[in-house]
Amino acid sequence: SAVISQKPSRDICQRGTSLTIQCQVDSQVTMMFWYRQQPGQSLTLIATANQGSEATYESGFVIDKFPISRPNLTFSTLTVSNMSPEDSSIYLCSVREFLNIQYFGAGTRLSVL
Amino acid sequence: AQRVTQPEKLLSVFKGAPVELKCNYSYSGSPELFWYVQYSRQRLQLLLRHISRESIKGFTADLNKGETSFHLKKPFAQEEDSAMYYCALSDSGYSTLTFGKGTMLLVSP
Repeated sequence: SAVISQKPSRDICQRGTSLTIQCQVDSQVTMMFWYRQQPGQSLTLIATANQGSEATYESGFVIDKFPISRPNLTFSTLTVSNMSPEDSSIYLCSVREFLNIQYFGAGTRLSVL
Repeated sequence: AQRVTQPEKLLSVFKGAPVELKCNYSYSGSPELFWYVQYSRQRLQLLLRHISRESIKGFTADLNKGETSFHLKKPFAQEEDSAMYYCALSDSGYSTLTFGKGTMLLVSP
C-alpha cells in the first residue's frame, strides 16, 4: 500500500489567514482526495484532486475557499483560505489504489482562533 | 444521493462478548461497502471490504442487499478491538467514499 506523508500534523492559526497542507505519496497514484472531519463528525469529502486539471469539488465546497493543487502524480496541496473558527477540523488526504481501496494520511489538525 | 447510517455512536461490551456494529446504506446502484477502523493515535485504515468476503482480526461483515445493511460482527471481542469504526460506501464508477458517522467500540476487561 502507498505511504502517505501529510504536513503539518497540526497548526494553530489566526482568523483571516490561510494555511496550505501538503500530501506526499511514495508512489504514483491517479486518484487523490481531500476530506474534512469536523469535531465529533464523520469524514466529508471536500474534493478530488486531479492531476493536470482543476479539482472536482463536492457540494458545499468551493475553489476560492479550498484551492487545491496537483502538480504531479505523487503530490497535492490543499489551502484553507481566509480561515474562521468554523474551519477548525482535521483535514485528511487519501489515495485510491488497486481494488478501489483508499489509504489515508495521518491528518492535519487545524485550530483557528 | 447515497447515504450511510451507523445508528450507534458508542458500543460498550465486555471482553469475550459478541459484537455487532450496525451499518445501513441508501444507494440506488450496486455499491461497494467497506469498514474502516481508527485505533487511538493511528490513522484511518481499511478493515475489510464486502467483495473480498474475508475475516480480518476475527471480524466479518455480510452485505445484505434486501435489508441494505453491512453489519460488522465479531464473536468474541478483545480489548485491542477498542477503536472508532466507520462504515463507508463507494460508487464503484466514481470511486468516492461516503462515510457513516462512526461507532466507537469500547471493550472492557
